[in-house]
Amino acid sequence: AQTVTQSQPEMSVQEAETVTLSCTYDTSESDYYLFWYKQPPSRQMILVIRQEAYKQQNATENRFSVNFQKAAKSFSLKISDSQLGDAAMYFCAYRSASVRNTGTASKLTFGTGTRLQVTL
Amino acid sequence: NAGVTQTPKFRILKIGQSMTLQCTQDMNHNYMYWYRQDPGMGLKLIYYSVGAGITDKGEVPNGYNVSRSTTEDFPLRLELAAPSQTSVYFCASSTHYAGELFFGEGSRLTVL
Repeated sequence: AQTVTQSQPEMSVQEAETVTLSCTYDTSESDYYLFWYKQPPSRQMILVIRQEAYKQQNATENRFSVNFQKAAKSFSLKISDSQLGDAAMYFCAYRSASVRNTGTASKLTFGTGTRLQVTL
Repeated sequence: NAGVTQTPKFRILKIGQSMTLQCTQDMNHNYMYWYRQDPGMGLKLIYYSVGAGITDKGEVPNGYNVSRSTTEDFPLRLELAAPSQTSVYFCASSTHYAGELFFGEGSRLTVL
């Protein structure tokens, strides 16, 4: 079974600064997807960024980028120019892409989350 | 632009009562899911469905039941509510097995 570990329960960053959230995962599969979801106080889960394991290039979405290290099974999220609206819980998630298991491959496995505070 | 709609948003139940959390999506997604989120934890999968008439258990299915009679609807039934079922419940859907999940706004359930 896959596991996702987020070792930082809480992080804090000053507005306009850069912060990196860590995520490691354990899997025996070679083909999978990784995600970062943001959960603001409103509770809605919002997709921040997505990475396909077969792609070597790190995904970027505006101020959000990832450092994907497949061999190390590491998937960190970097937030640049942090804004007050970035304050939220951030969840790392894993999803199998195995074609052989299309009935079960659709499940997301989540980490326990990192609470990000943004200060003035 | 409804997306995934869950009702109710809040509910308080007494031990032993039953209820159904409703979930509807208007994106014609085949895959639908129910997750629960306990305080300070990530989401855990309760049940999922890969299409109308097909459901399967996730990590924590005990105490719950689901049905999927249409593509749009995926209700979650709680029978004989217990305090351990106090949680926030999220319904989600996706286009295919590897697609992005679209989440509802969550339903906070308290069992006293």
